[in-house]
Amino acid sequence: NAGVTQTPKFQVLKTGQSMTLQCAQDMNHEYMSWYRQDPGMGLRLIHYSVGAGITDQGEVPNGYNVSRSTTEDFPLRLLSAAPSQTSVYFCASRYRRTGEEGTEAFFGQGTRLTVV
Amino acid sequence: GENVEQHPSTLSVQEGDSAVIKCTYSDSASNYFPWYKQELGKRPQLIIDIRSNVGEKKDQRIAVTLNKTAKHFSLHITETQPEDSAVYFCAANTGNQFYFGTGTSLTVIP
Repeated sequence: NAGVTQTPKFQVLKTGQSMTLQCAQDMNHEYMSWYRQDPGMGLRLIHYSVGAGITDQGEVPNGYNVSRSTTEDFPLRLLSAAPSQTSVYFCASRYRRTGEEGTEAFFGQGTRLTVV
Repeated sequence: GENVEQHPSTLSVQEGDSAVIKCTYSDSASNYFPWYKQELGKRPQLIIDIRSNVGEKKDQRIAVTLNKTAKHFSLHITETQPEDSAVYFCAANTGNQFYFGTGTSLTVIP
């Protein structure tokens, strides 16, 4: 199993450009999430999905869109990049346990995004 | 929503000493509390977790304790080694969301 695969690893964008961060998992996990990691702020949830066709907003969703057309893929789209979106982005997946009990989250290798 | 606070933000210990990192949470419905280790430039990886029906769990040099009444949980690392140097994150699971603490940068001095 490859686990959770994110691409690209590094990206530089100009303000106003759009792009899509790719995330794929091969563990048949129902839950997938996108986080951003900024110094001193931990991991903050952007958007998440509990299954194909179902997405919801997290703590910091503004400026980002997601879709989940398949169980495996969960792309994150930046509509019009801003310097405030400079960050490290992590995708994560985990399986769904009955009763909504927590399960281990598996992370991708991260995307370091710089918006100039 | 849930609020997870983590302390300290930085911690330096001598090799062989113990390290303790503490987290508090606000939502009594939280039922799962994982700890992640993140080495520089790498992805976070689970090192230990505990469920709300358990008070303590140990795995070799690492242990986690949970006090549901006080809503806090702690990570204990004994006999620290230089390879334990990393950023450690606690998290609390409520429903289908994880809420992370802000991280503790642990440095183990040889």
